[in-house]
Amino acid sequence: QKEVEQNSGPLSVPEGAIASLNCTYSDRGSQSFFWYRQYSGKSPELIMSIYSNGDKEDGRFTAQLNKASQYVSLLIRDSQPSDSATYLCAGYNAGNMLTFGGGTRLMVKP
Amino acid sequence: EAGVTQFPSHSVIEKGQTVTLRCDPISGHDNLYWYRRVMGKEIKFLLHFVKESKQDESGMPNNRFLAERTGGTYSTLKVQPAELEDSGVYFCASSLLGGGSDEQYFGPGTRLTVT
Repeated sequence: QKEVEQNSGPLSVPEGAIASLNCTYSDRGSQSFFWYRQYSGKSPELIMSIYSNGDKEDGRFTAQLNKASQYVSLLIRDSQPSDSATYLCAGYNAGNMLTFGGGTRLMVKP
Repeated sequence: EAGVTQFPSHSVIEKGQTVTLRCDPISGHDNLYWYRRVMGKEIKFLLHFVKESKQDESGMPNNRFLAERTGGTYSTLKVQPAELEDSGVYFCASSLLGGGSDEQYFGPGTRLTVT
């Protein structure tokens, strides 16, 4: 079982819709989670961090964390074609290393 | 403020040769990390520096890989001798504080192709 799992996609949504990206993790000791956006051939760009149960909103992005269910999600409201990218979920467990999921490719169609 | 930079962006070498990758972290970031993504797999941790000291090198695949961070500024990752399975994208990241809630910022990566 992978430590952090994501559906590879592609997830296709129409422009203006809500995109919902999901991630599950196996290590109950994981405390902090991060969402990175990666355009093809570019560096992973940090877009959201979440440390406690519940929702965290930043502009069009909302991160959700449910430690009991070991589940992290990212909602993108009013999706734009420029949001089309691969979204990486990552968590900290022991130490300072990030453990990444394989990423979900999001396609926003005009 | 300049982000994390890496050099070269792409390197193609033959099996058995040596390659050195360089990473310049964000100025003032004491924590520097190396990660690798091989084809079709997720990004995997290699090692972590705090200033010039190796804090955790549990992800280094074998002794063909040598990372240094002399003076606690930029870091190099040397692969010697390179093997075919070393091909992938090598990312460097840096963070200010370290610890389980610290945000890591990634560089653009070096794509290494071993033929």
